[in-house]
Amino acid sequence: NAGVTQTPKFQVLKTGQSMTLQCAQDMNHEYMSWYRQDPGMGLRLIHYSVGAGITDQGEVPNGYNVSRSTTEDFPLRLLSAAPSQTSVYFCASSQRGGSETQYFGPGTRLLVL
Amino acid sequence: AQSVTQLGSHVSVSEGALVLLRCNYSSSVPPYLFWYVQYPNQGLQLLLKYTTGATLVKGINGFEAEFKKSETSFHLTKPSAHMSDAAEYFCAVTMIKAAGNKLTFGGGTRVLVKP
Repeated sequence: NAGVTQTPKFQVLKTGQSMTLQCAQDMNHEYMSWYRQDPGMGLRLIHYSVGAGITDQGEVPNGYNVSRSTTEDFPLRLLSAAPSQTSVYFCASSQRGGSETQYFGPGTRLLVL
Repeated sequence: AQSVTQLGSHVSVSEGALVLLRCNYSSSVPPYLFWYVQYPNQGLQLLLKYTTGATLVKGINGFEAEFKKSETSFHLTKPSAHMSDAAEYFCAVTMIKAAGNKLTFGGGTRVLVKP
């Protein structure tokens, strides 16, 4: 199993550009999430999904959009990039919520100029 | 809403010395508690978690943590540090009946191991 994969590994954007961060998992997990990691702030939840066709907002959803058309994929879209969105983005998946272990991808490092 | 506080953003220990990383949470009811480790340029991986039952939890790589409800704490320890323990460590919580798999993380503690 590849686990959770993310592409690209690194991306530079100009302010106002849009892009999609890709996330895929091959563990048949129902639950998937997107987090951003900023120094000293740990990881903060952006959006999450409890199954195909079902998404909801996390702690910091503004400026981001998600959809979940399949169990395997959970892309994150930046609609109009801003310098405040410079961060490292992690995708995670788990079989269920609650006490289930979340499995994290390797991350995408995004720089917005 | 719950929150997680990790005391000390950086900790330096000598190889062979005790590693102690502190985590306190605020929550009206006991949550599920996790410790994750992040090695340089990698994603997070689970060290250990507390769900129910025994309050002393053993994890991978010789780490353990004790859930103390009265102190709302979940401190992480390892008796003898190894050079390979140099990483960033995150404490996280989720509520028992929370929708989705929403984790709330602390700010992280970066561990430096000196030879």
